[in-house]
Amino acid sequence: DAGITQSPRHKVTETGTPVTLRCHQTENHRYMYWYRQDPGHGLRLIHYSYGVKDTDKGEVSDGYSVSRSKTEDFLLTLESATSSQTSVYFCAISEVAGGLGNEQFFGPGTRLTVL
Amino acid sequence: GENVEQHPSTLSVQEGDSAVIKCTYSDSASNYFPWYKQELGKRPQLIIDIRSNVGEKKDQRIAVTLNKTAKHFSLHITETQPEDSAVYFCAANAGYSTLTFGKGTMLLVSP
Repeated sequence: DAGITQSPRHKVTETGTPVTLRCHQTENHRYMYWYRQDPGHGLRLIHYSYGVKDTDKGEVSDGYSVSRSKTEDFLLTLESATSSQTSVYFCAISEVAGGLGNEQFFGPGTRLTVL
Repeated sequence: GENVEQHPSTLSVQEGDSAVIKCTYSDSASNYFPWYKQELGKRPQLIIDIRSNVGEKKDQRIAVTLNKTAKHFSLHITETQPEDSAVYFCAANAGYSTLTFGKGTMLLVSP
């Protein structure tokens, strides 16, 4: 597996609380992505980054924000968690743009439960 | 934006049979089509991909075909084995930077 870690791996929180998930890579890849995976919906892109401080929205960005202050770290923040954000969150990295045909390597995932 | 439809959602086969999973895409500009395999509780991993300048690609028991005119592509697994049991996702590039994934197919291979 590519050098990608996610923390925490599991989290239970309450509605209305802020939550930050961290993705850390040791591959020095330029592109980083946050996906959520829900039964029946596959993998849906939340936000992605194409460089330090360069980010853009994905398909399901409402309620989420991201930051990338260093090449190796990509943070996903739920400002005020809701039950609809209960999901498994995957981070992915790629050396060049994911749409150009370069493999995306996925992290181990974070299971988030919002009560 | 790009829309990817994947069928079937579940597929059960006997060990040794072939399995076929089909995907359609909406954006004629898409030119990269990867397939990922996700075992239970694990992360998705790339198993094969194809670019639009190629009609077919094989890697041992796995093959992918692409029909650009019809905007569909398929994953073919021959001589299935129990360890092929997993969820398979197709995807298509949605512009330069991102991929759009299908909703997945759960493949169950029975001994």
